[in-house]
Amino acid sequence: AQSVAQPEDQVNVAEGNPLTVKCTYSVSGNPYLFWYVQYPNRGLQFLLKYITGDNLVKGSYGFEAEFNKSQTSFHLKKPSALVSDSALYFCAVRDGNNFNKFYFGSGTKLNVKP
Amino acid sequence: GAGVSQTPSNKVTEKGKYVELRCDPISGHTALYWYRQSLGQGPEFLIYFQGTGAADDSGLPNDRFFAVRPEGSVSTLKIQRTERGDSAVYLCASSLFEGATGELFFGEGSRLTVL
Repeated sequence: AQSVAQPEDQVNVAEGNPLTVKCTYSVSGNPYLFWYVQYPNRGLQFLLKYITGDNLVKGSYGFEAEFNKSQTSFHLKKPSALVSDSALYFCAVRDGNNFNKFYFGSGTKLNVKP
Repeated sequence: GAGVSQTPSNKVTEKGKYVELRCDPISGHTALYWYRQSLGQGPEFLIYFQGTGAADDSGLPNDRFFAVRPEGSVSTLKIQRTERGDSAVYLCASSLFEGATGELFFGEGSRLTVL
């Protein structure tokens, strides 16, 4: 069965420090992995995706994510957090054998404190 | 418009009433999705359209839920005999048909409250 796990409901980090938001996945075919961000009362905004190739992918607003096939993980990272990064982050996976659906994690609330 | 547009943004209704939620996707996007997001949870798949046809409706929770996309553009999600448990934010998304690699572009959602 396809699934995504975001083990942390909340991540707290000080402004200027590096941040990591964790994501692990399970799919039967090749994984296609995505990160989205959601600001209060707004829709989900696409940040970045991994399809194939380099395991480190770069996306919007200075975010990047590292695909690790052996650990079935796709953690979101940023070298230096900003207060404006505070939002809800969702990891999603699409199964290469059945790409009709995106499966989303339950979300991680990122709090960046000044 | 430039993005996915959803109306209404907020809908309050009484238990047992009928509700329609509308989605206007990005022009040229052939794939359209409906998701439901309950408080504190990630979006949950409801239905996927490729063109005018529902390619996958396996996420619709029961036969009170139905969606159409008659001309391959605008879609309407219809909920009959609403129940309090239907309260959620209903998200619409569209994408170019790029197989598994294309990202979804989401609207801001329609918040449904069933009293």
